[in-house]
Amino acid sequence: DTGVSQNPRHKITKRGQNVTFRCDPISEHNRLYWYRQTLGQGPEFLTYFQNEAQLEKSRLLSDRFSAERPKGSFSTLEIQRTEQGDSAMYLCASSPPVFQGYEQYFGPGTRLTVT
Amino acid sequence: GESVGLHLPTLSVQEGDNSIINCAYSNSASDYFIWYKQESGKGPQFIIDIRSNMDKRQGQRVTVLLNKTVKHLSLQIAATQPGDSAVYFCAENKWTSGTYKYIFGTGTRLKVLA
Repeated sequence: DTGVSQNPRHKITKRGQNVTFRCDPISEHNRLYWYRQTLGQGPEFLTYFQNEAQLEKSRLLSDRFSAERPKGSFSTLEIQRTEQGDSAMYLCASSPPVFQGYEQYFGPGTRLTVT
Repeated sequence: GESVGLHLPTLSVQEGDNSIINCAYSNSASDYFIWYKQESGKGPQFIIDIRSNMDKRQGQRVTVLLNKTVKHLSLQIAATQPGDSAVYFCAENKWTSGTYKYIFGTGTRLKVLA
């Protein structure tokens, strides 16, 4: 257990529905990342927060995706009008301030299945 | 574009033998590389890292080698154990667009044979 938690662990939804995932990072970590991982592939970067500011978004993050980190602590990732292609593992990772190191601590992920 | 990739998708090793997992990167100004282990149903777990100003770094039973000349990274696991069975990813940490971004390779599955 890295100290990063994600909920739910699994989500099955019908195409067209909206889903929201939550990530609780390690408390003193000011940096938070979201990734998407499909079977047999490495995690793909989606977005990055430093404190509450969303500093970068991948082109993979279409308009149907939105992420927030309102108080610089937990973060949510919402997918609207889900499509079957959204089925994947969604991973959250957190890191301490840069001067403390670059290591990322990953949560267990949320596996999304869109039927 | 830039990529971090792995040479072999699956590696089978006898228990007790040493394992070597390779990774190639291309056209990168990254200053930091990481190896992760991912077991089924879990998130990636940090194993070891190395900065670009180093050639070798050792941990407990693991060693990472960095060859910047040929842009090659390897992970060596000594005395491989059944618990080492997992998918291993290398990742490149690069400063780009005002943030540190991690770029992951596809992964190598390590199977430890009893």
